[in-house]
Amino acid sequence: QKEVEQNSGPLSVPEGAIASLNCTYSDRGSQSFFWYRQYSGKSPELIMSIYSNGDKEDGRFTAQLNKASQYVSLLIRDSQPSDSATYLCAVTSLNTGFQKLVFGTGTRLLVSP
Amino acid sequence: ETGVTQTPRHLVMGMTNKKSLKCEQHLGHNAMYWYKQSAKKPLELMFVYNFKEQTENNSVPSRFSPECPNSSHLFLHLHTLQPEDSALYLCASSQDPTEGEQYFGPGTRLTVT
Repeated sequence: QKEVEQNSGPLSVPEGAIASLNCTYSDRGSQSFFWYRQYSGKSPELIMSIYSNGDKEDGRFTAQLNKASQYVSLLIRDSQPSDSATYLCAVTSLNTGFQKLVFGTGTRLLVSP
Repeated sequence: ETGVTQTPRHLVMGMTNKKSLKCEQHLGHNAMYWYKQSAKKPLELMFVYNFKEQTENNSVPSRFSPECPNSSHLFLHLHTLQPEDSALYLCASSQDPTEGEQYFGPGTRLTVT
């Protein structure tokens, strides 16, 4: 079983729609959860972090966490073509002395004009 | 310079060459990381440094040798690499290793011929 699972996509949505990206994880001890955006040929960029159950909103982005179901999601409202990228879900796994980030393989999002 | 910088951005090397990748962070962080990103695979953590002391070596072959002279600089020395080592090598930093929010540099695209 993969530690962090994401659908590789591509997820295609029209401009202005809501894009919903999902992620499940296997380590019940994970405490911190992150979404990174990676444009083609670029490095990952942190866009959202969430630490407790529920929703966290930041502009057009909403992260949702359900620890009981081991499920994290990212909603992007009013999707724009510039949102087209690969979205990486990452969760922490506590190792001795540091928080190891475990990444999923990412979901590719395509927003069409 | 701001954020996390990496040089070179692209590197082509033969299997018998020796080269080094350089990373510098301007964020005042204490923890630095090396990751490998290959196509269709999740980001793989290679090494972790905390206050220039190595805290993790994630079963990386000895042909990869890290060096951290201070908390702002990180090197990855490469020698006798294999073609399967061709990948994007990413440096990241965080405030400290218990902090899950990591910030990435632009990466070095390495091709081993």
